Amino acid sequence: AQSVTQLDSQVPVFEEAPVELRCNYSSSVSVYLFWYVQYPNQGLQLLLKYLSGSTLVKGINGFEAEFNKSQTSFHLRKPSVHISDTAEYFCAVSETGGYQKVTFGTGTKLQVIP
Amino acid sequence: GAVVSQHPSWVICKSGTSVKIECRSLDFQATTMFWYRQFPKQSLMLMATSNEGSKATYEQGVEKDKFLINHASLTLSTLTVTSAHPEDSSFYICSARDLQGSGSPLHFGNGTRLTVT
Repeated sequence: AQSVTQLDSQVPVFEEAPVELRCNYSSSVSVYLFWYVQYPNQGLQLLLKYLSGSTLVKGINGFEAEFNKSQTSFHLRKPSVHISDTAEYFCAVSETGGYQKVTFGTGTKLQVIP
Repeated sequence: GAVVSQHPSWVICKSGTSVKIECRSLDFQATTMFWYRQFPKQSLMLMATSNEGSKATYEQGVEKDKFLINHASLTLSTLTVTSAHPEDSSFYICSARDLQGSGSPLHFGNGTRLTVT
């Protein structure tokens, strides 16, 4: 079984300030890691993913995340946020085999303050 | 890029009626699609895995007779909420992978907001 923990349900940050959204996971087997963004009343859009290799992955819209195996973390960062980054962010893990079912964290609402 | 189209985007129905939600992969074939349910301000809960040409695989606690899934072709999966009740009101989202390779991300439809009165 696998699980994802996003401890921060809401993160307010001023525009142009840096932000980090935390994600920790638990799994007895190898997993793939993802960050998705959801705008109101819409589906999810992939920001970035980690499958293997370099632990620092870059995604769309200036976001990046770092995989830390020892801490079982996959925190999302952006050096300077914009108003348009206001949305819900979900960390997710998936099995590496079978149907590769995806388990989502509870989400973090990023509120960018002008 | 891969597009998943979900229809309708919102629906209001009376208690006791059935509602069908369609999920289509527009520019790729999907042998497997996933149906999620999202409660307000909560995460996505996997309901079932839809398999083309065979029965869907339901997650524990999901009533298969309540949520009927049909994956009749490589580009279409449907979720029918039968005899809907107010507690079925939720945001339903489908997803699929456009590549079969390991680690391929999910592509999501825009969701269906179901309100049962």
